[in-house]
Amino acid sequence: KNQVEQSPQSLIILEGKNCTLQCNYTVSPFSNLRWYKQDTGRGPVSLTIMTFSENTKSNGRYTATLDADTKQSSLHITASQLSDSASYICVVSGKTGGFKTIFGAGTRLFVKA
Amino acid sequence: KAGVTQTPRYLIKTRGQQVTLSCSPISGHRSVSWYQQTPGQGLQFLFEYFSETQRNKGNFPGRFSGRQFSNSRSEMNVSTLELGDSALYLCASSFESGKTDTQYFGPGTRLTVL
Repeated sequence: KNQVEQSPQSLIILEGKNCTLQCNYTVSPFSNLRWYKQDTGRGPVSLTIMTFSENTKSNGRYTATLDADTKQSSLHITASQLSDSASYICVVSGKTGGFKTIFGAGTRLFVKA
Repeated sequence: KAGVTQTPRYLIKTRGQQVTLSCSPISGHRSVSWYQQTPGQGLQFLFEYFSETQRNKGNFPGRFSGRQFSNSRSEMNVSTLELGDSALYLCASSFESGKTDTQYFGPGTRLTVL
């Protein structure tokens, strides 16, 4: 069964600290993996997209890594800011019986002053 | 450049009714995808349209349908509404098919079924 699992479910950190969010997937064959940030009451905003051949991609203070062999990805946030408080969603697309897009349940990040 | 717009933003319907949601993509984008987001299930893919053709479809019943017009605007229709259809419906647009292109999401339509 194609699945995307994210951990932790929620996380509280102090402003200025770093954190890492995890995403494990079983979608196969793999096409691409995306990380989105979703503020409460708003639509998701794309942070990074990685294909099979890419193992790291950065977008400002956000750095995503991908290990296609172990089917794991992480999103590292550096020097967190209050505005980083949001849900972070891992999305994996693959081609099994047609193109499939599977969303993780998200990690809810709270950044405290 | 204007972002993805969705109308209406909020909607209240009763069971058995039908509803049509609208999505206007970013100018020049030809792909529009629809998603359902609920607290319990998270984001789930409904379908994707590209150049007026349905390209991919998620695992939803036939009560959920959509279409795309020649100007890339898209509509989603849900017939015979059920309580479980209450959700945030998001659409996302991209220039090419959404497989590897960046998708830009609209603010969503919050549907409440009573």
